[in-house]
Amino acid sequence: KAGVTQTPRYLIKTRGQQVTLSCSPISGHRSVSWYQQTPGQGLQFLFEYFSETQRNKGNFPGRFSGRQFSNSRSEMNVSTLELGDSALYLCASSNPDRENSPLHFGNGTRLTVT
Amino acid sequence: AQSVTQLGSHVSVSEGALVLLRCNYSSSVPPYLFWYVQYPNQGLQLLLKYTTGATLVKGINGFEAEFKKSETSFHLTKPSAHMSDAAEYFCAVSDNDYKLSFGAGTTVTVRA
Repeated sequence: KAGVTQTPRYLIKTRGQQVTLSCSPISGHRSVSWYQQTPGQGLQFLFEYFSETQRNKGNFPGRFSGRQFSNSRSEMNVSTLELGDSALYLCASSNPDRENSPLHFGNGTRLTVT
Repeated sequence: AQSVTQLGSHVSVSEGALVLLRCNYSSSVPPYLFWYVQYPNQGLQLLLKYTTGATLVKGINGFEAEFKKSETSFHLTKPSAHMSDAAEYFCAVSDNDYKLSFGAGTTVTVRA
Protein backbone atom coordinates (compact mmCIF):
# COMPACT_ATOMS: atom_id res chain seq x y z
CA LYS A 1 0.00 0.00 0.00
CA ALA A 2 1.47 3.35 -0.99
CA GLY A 3 2.11 5.81 1.82
CA VAL A 4 1.23 9.47 2.07
CA THR A 5 2.74 11.33 -0.85
CA GLN A 6 3.62 15.00 -0.69
CA THR A 7 4.73 17.09 -3.65
CA PRO A 8 6.97 18.81 -4.23
CA ARG A 9 9.66 17.78 -1.74
CA TYR A 10 11.44 21.11 -1.92
CA LEU A 11 10.33 24.62 -2.82
CA ILE A 12 12.07 27.96 -2.86
CA LYS A 13 9.89 31.04 -3.02
CA THR A 14 10.32 34.77 -2.59
CA ARG A 15 8.59 36.92 0.01
CA GLY A 16 5.19 38.05 -1.15
CA GLN A 17 4.61 35.10 -3.46
CA GLN A 18 2.10 32.36 -2.85
CA VAL A 19 2.61 28.63 -2.82
CA THR A 20 0.48 25.49 -3.10
CA LEU A 21 1.49 22.19 -1.58
CA SER A 22 -0.12 18.88 -2.45
CA CYS A 23 -0.85 15.77 -0.43
CA SER A 24 -2.17 12.39 -1.56
CA PRO A 25 -3.33 10.29 1.40
CA ILE A 26 -3.15 6.57 1.79
CA SER A 27 -5.85 4.87 -0.25
CA GLY A 28 -9.04 4.69 1.80
CA HIS A 29 -8.02 7.40 4.25
CA ARG A 30 -10.56 10.22 4.27
CA SER A 31 -8.99 12.48 6.89
CA VAL A 32 -6.02 14.66 6.01
CA SER A 33 -4.19 16.87 8.50
CA TRP A 34 -1.46 19.42 7.96
CA TYR A 35 1.34 20.38 10.32
CA GLN A 36 4.12 22.96 10.20
CA GLN A 37 7.52 22.06 11.63
CA THR A 38 10.10 24.74 12.40
CA PRO A 39 13.19 24.71 14.66
CA GLY A 40 11.75 27.51 16.78
CA GLN A 41 8.08 26.54 17.15
CA GLY A 42 8.33 22.79 16.65
CA LEU A 43 5.38 20.88 15.25
CA GLN A 44 2.16 22.85 15.05
CA PHE A 45 -1.26 21.79 13.80
CA LEU A 46 -2.54 23.77 10.83
CA PHE A 47 -5.87 22.19 9.91
CA GLU A 48 -7.70 18.94 9.24
CA TYR A 49 -10.09 17.96 6.49
CA PHE A 50 -12.58 15.14 6.33
CA SER A 51 -14.90 14.49 3.41
CA GLU A 52 -13.98 17.85 1.85
CA THR A 53 -14.86 19.78 5.03
CA GLN A 54 -12.46 21.53 7.36
CA ARG A 55 -13.22 20.13 10.81
CA ASN A 56 -10.55 21.85 12.81
CA LYS A 57 -8.07 24.67 12.42
CA GLY A 58 -4.97 25.62 14.34
CA ASN A 59 -3.82 29.07 15.35
CA PHE A 60 -2.46 30.34 12.06
CA PRO A 61 -3.28 33.50 10.10
CA GLY A 62 -5.75 33.47 7.24
CA ARG A 63 -2.87 33.41 4.75
CA PHE A 64 -2.82 29.69 5.40
CA SER A 65 -5.67 27.84 3.76
CA GLY A 66 -6.44 24.41 2.50
CA ARG A 67 -8.95 22.26 0.75
CA GLN A 68 -9.76 18.67 0.15
CA PHE A 69 -11.04 17.10 -3.03
CA SER A 70 -13.59 14.35 -3.50
CA ASN A 71 -10.79 11.78 -3.91
CA SER A 72 -9.44 12.86 -0.47
CA ARG A 73 -6.35 14.50 -1.94
CA SER A 74 -5.60 17.78 -0.22
CA GLU A 75 -3.80 21.00 -0.97
CA MET A 76 -2.67 23.78 1.28
CA ASN A 77 -1.98 27.29 0.12
CA VAL A 78 0.07 30.02 1.70
CA SER A 79 -0.38 33.50 0.30
CA THR A 80 1.84 36.56 0.71
CA LEU A 81 4.76 34.48 1.92
CA GLU A 82 6.88 35.73 4.80
CA LEU A 83 10.40 34.66 5.79
CA GLY A 84 8.92 33.01 8.89
CA ASP A 85 6.89 30.65 6.72
CA SER A 86 10.06 28.73 5.92
CA ALA A 87 9.40 25.31 7.36
CA LEU A 88 8.81 21.65 6.74
CA TYR A 89 5.12 21.14 6.00
CA LEU A 90 3.87 17.70 6.88
CA CYS A 91 0.69 16.07 5.73
CA ALA A 92 -0.84 13.13 7.54
CA SER A 93 -3.78 10.90 6.75
CA SER A 94 -5.95 8.60 8.81
CA ASN A 95 -9.05 6.48 8.52
CA PRO A 96 -11.65 7.70 11.03
CA ASP A 97 -13.89 4.78 10.11
CA ARG A 98 -11.45 2.48 11.85
CA GLU A 99 -11.18 2.69 15.60
CA ASN A 100 -7.82 3.95 16.82
CA SER A 101 -6.58 4.67 13.31
CA PRO A 102 -3.29 6.50 13.77
CA LEU A 103 -1.90 9.35 11.70
CA HIS A 104 0.38 8.33 8.86
CA PHE A 105 2.75 11.10 7.84
CA GLY A 106 4.30 11.92 4.50
CA ASN A 107 7.94 12.97 4.14
CA GLY A 108 6.97 16.61 3.92
CA THR A 109 7.56 19.59 1.68
CA ARG A 110 10.43 21.80 2.71
CA LEU A 111 9.59 25.40 1.89
CA THR A 112 12.28 28.05 1.89
CA VAL A 113 11.22 31.69 1.62
CA THR A 114 13.92 34.15 0.60
CA ALA B 1 -5.49 23.12 26.53
CA GLN B 2 -3.46 19.98 26.16
CA SER B 3 0.31 20.04 26.11
CA VAL B 4 3.33 17.83 26.60
CA THR B 5 6.76 18.52 28.01
CA GLN B 6 9.70 16.44 26.95
CA LEU B 7 12.53 16.53 29.46
CA GLY B 8 15.88 16.78 27.74
CA SER B 9 16.33 18.02 24.20
CA HIS B 10 19.23 15.65 23.64
CA VAL B 11 20.03 12.19 24.96
CA SER B 12 23.22 10.27 24.26
CA VAL B 13 23.43 6.54 24.98
CA SER B 14 25.88 3.76 24.31
CA GLU B 15 24.93 0.96 21.96
CA GLY B 16 23.26 -1.75 24.04
CA ALA B 17 22.33 0.60 26.87
CA LEU B 18 18.84 1.53 28.07
CA VAL B 19 17.07 4.31 26.22
CA LEU B 20 14.76 6.42 28.42
CA LEU B 21 12.92 9.43 27.02
CA ARG B 22 10.73 11.39 29.38
CA CYS B 23 7.37 12.93 28.60
CA ASN B 24 4.86 14.61 30.90
CA TYR B 25 1.45 15.70 29.70
CA SER B 26 -1.21 18.14 30.68
CA SER B 27 -4.77 17.33 29.80
CA SER B 28 -8.16 18.05 31.27
CA VAL B 29 -9.70 14.97 29.70
CA PRO B 30 -8.49 11.39 29.33
CA PRO B 31 -5.85 11.77 26.67
CA TYR B 32 -4.61 9.90 23.71
CA LEU B 33 -0.83 9.75 24.00
CA PHE B 34 1.66 9.05 21.24
CA TRP B 35 5.33 8.63 20.57
CA TYR B 36 6.63 9.35 17.08
CA VAL B 37 10.11 9.06 15.60
CA GLN B 38 11.56 11.22 12.85
CA TYR B 39 14.65 10.31 10.85
CA PRO B 40 16.52 13.01 8.90
CA ASN B 41 14.63 14.32 5.89
CA GLN B 42 11.64 12.14 6.63
CA GLY B 43 8.20 12.48 8.11
CA LEU B 44 7.02 11.13 11.44
CA GLN B 45 6.57 7.44 12.11
CA LEU B 46 4.29 6.21 14.87
CA LEU B 47 6.10 4.16 17.50
CA LEU B 48 3.16 3.55 19.80
CA LYS B 49 -0.14 4.95 21.02
CA TYR B 50 -2.10 4.87 24.27
CA THR B 51 -5.85 5.36 24.34
CA THR B 52 -7.41 3.28 27.09
CA GLY B 53 -6.82 -0.07 28.73
CA ALA B 54 -3.42 -1.52 29.52
CA THR B 55 -1.05 1.13 30.79
CA LEU B 56 2.04 -0.54 29.35
CA VAL B 57 2.05 -0.03 25.61
CA LYS B 58 4.35 -1.95 23.32
CA GLY B 59 5.38 -0.41 20.05
CA ILE B 60 7.55 -1.09 17.08
CA ASN B 61 11.33 -1.57 17.07
CA GLY B 62 11.38 -2.79 20.68
CA PHE B 63 10.07 0.42 22.23
CA GLU B 64 7.46 0.57 24.96
CA ALA B 65 5.88 3.27 27.09
CA GLU B 66 4.01 3.29 30.37
CA PHE B 67 1.04 5.55 31.05
CA LYS B 68 1.09 6.77 34.66
CA LYS B 69 -1.95 8.89 35.39
CA SER B 70 -0.83 9.77 38.92
CA GLU B 71 2.42 11.21 37.54
CA THR B 72 0.89 12.48 34.27
CA SER B 73 3.77 10.79 32.50
CA PHE B 74 4.25 8.67 29.41
CA HIS B 75 7.96 7.81 29.30
CA LEU B 76 9.41 5.86 26.38
CA THR B 77 11.96 3.10 26.92
CA LYS B 78 13.96 0.56 24.98
CA PRO B 79 16.11 -1.94 26.88
CA SER B 80 19.00 -2.02 24.43
CA ALA B 81 19.87 0.81 22.06
CA HIS B 82 20.87 0.13 18.49
CA MET B 83 22.70 2.46 16.13
CA SER B 84 19.56 2.67 14.01
CA ASP B 85 17.69 4.27 16.95
CA ALA B 86 19.52 7.54 16.37
CA ALA B 87 16.73 9.95 15.47
CA GLU B 88 14.46 12.61 16.92
CA TYR B 89 11.57 11.46 19.08
CA PHE B 90 8.35 13.33 19.73
CA CYS B 91 5.75 12.81 22.41
CA ALA B 92 2.24 14.02 21.58
CA VAL B 93 -1.15 14.35 23.28
CA SER B 94 -4.62 14.63 21.83
CA ASP B 95 -8.26 14.01 22.54
CA ASN B 96 -8.79 12.69 19.03
CA ASP B 97 -6.79 11.07 16.27
CA TYR B 98 -5.85 14.03 14.13
CA LYS B 99 -5.16 17.19 16.15
CA LEU B 100 -2.02 16.40 18.09
CA SER B 101 -0.04 18.68 20.37
CA PHE B 102 3.61 17.73 20.12
CA GLY B 103 6.47 18.16 22.52
CA ALA B 104 9.65 19.92 21.46
CA GLY B 105 11.37 16.66 20.65
CA THR B 106 14.36 14.73 21.98
CA THR B 107 17.30 13.93 19.74
CA VAL B 108 18.89 10.58 20.47
CA THR B 109 22.47 9.81 19.54
CA VAL B 110 23.89 6.33 19.95
CA ARG B 111 27.60 5.87 20.67
CA ALA B 112 29.35 2.79 19.36
